[in-house]
Amino acid sequence: DAGVIQSPRHEVTEMGQEVTLRCKPISGHNSLFWYRQTMMRGLELLIYFNNNVPIDDSGMPEDRFSAKMPNASFSTLKIQPSEPRDSAVYFCASSFTGANVLTFGAGSRLTVL
Amino acid sequence: QQQVKQSPQSLIVQKGGIPIINCAYENTAFDYFPWYQQFPGKGPALLIAIRPDVSEKKEGRFTISFNKSAKQFSLHIMDSQPGDSATYFCAAKMGGNEKLTFGTGTRLTIIP
Repeated sequence: DAGVIQSPRHEVTEMGQEVTLRCKPISGHNSLFWYRQTMMRGLELLIYFNNNVPIDDSGMPEDRFSAKMPNASFSTLKIQPSEPRDSAVYFCASSFTGANVLTFGAGSRLTVL
Repeated sequence: QQQVKQSPQSLIVQKGGIPIINCAYENTAFDYFPWYQQFPGKGPALLIAIRPDVSEKKEGRFTISFNKSAKQFSLHIMDSQPGDSATYFCAAKMGGNEKLTFGTGTRLTIIP
């Protein structure tokens, strides 16, 4: 298995633009997580899905952020409109429910100018 | 609200030394405490984990010490090597909940 695949790896955009980050979880994993990493706050959970259903989105910063999981092999995190304070590395991770092991992707580094 | 507090933020240790990273938690419902290791440009990866029914767990050169009464746990790296230079995250999880809460991370540098 190629692991958790994220795209793009790097994104530079201007304030106000829409950003879409993509994730393909490991085949067979039924839980998917979106995390944001910054120097100040470390790894913050934004949202997680179980069997494609959003379970906890309490970490989503505000209405500018949205996430979808239309099927078991694909998820998106969208920011619209983007702001400079959204600059961070966004990680997707997947797991088997109850397995207690998250497998992370390599991350998407977002820079909003 | 930071539910898992991690220190120090950064740490420099000479090769062969024993770096120690500390974490404290508030929620007594947490029952699983993993450590993740992250190399530059990569995602975090599970290193070692412990449950509160034991006070210590060793895997190779890595040891978790757990103090349930103090609500604290720590990672020790024996005979540290330059290849151990990475960012280390402690985390905590409640049973029946998939949500993993991470500490803020410790950037460890092992100098030759």
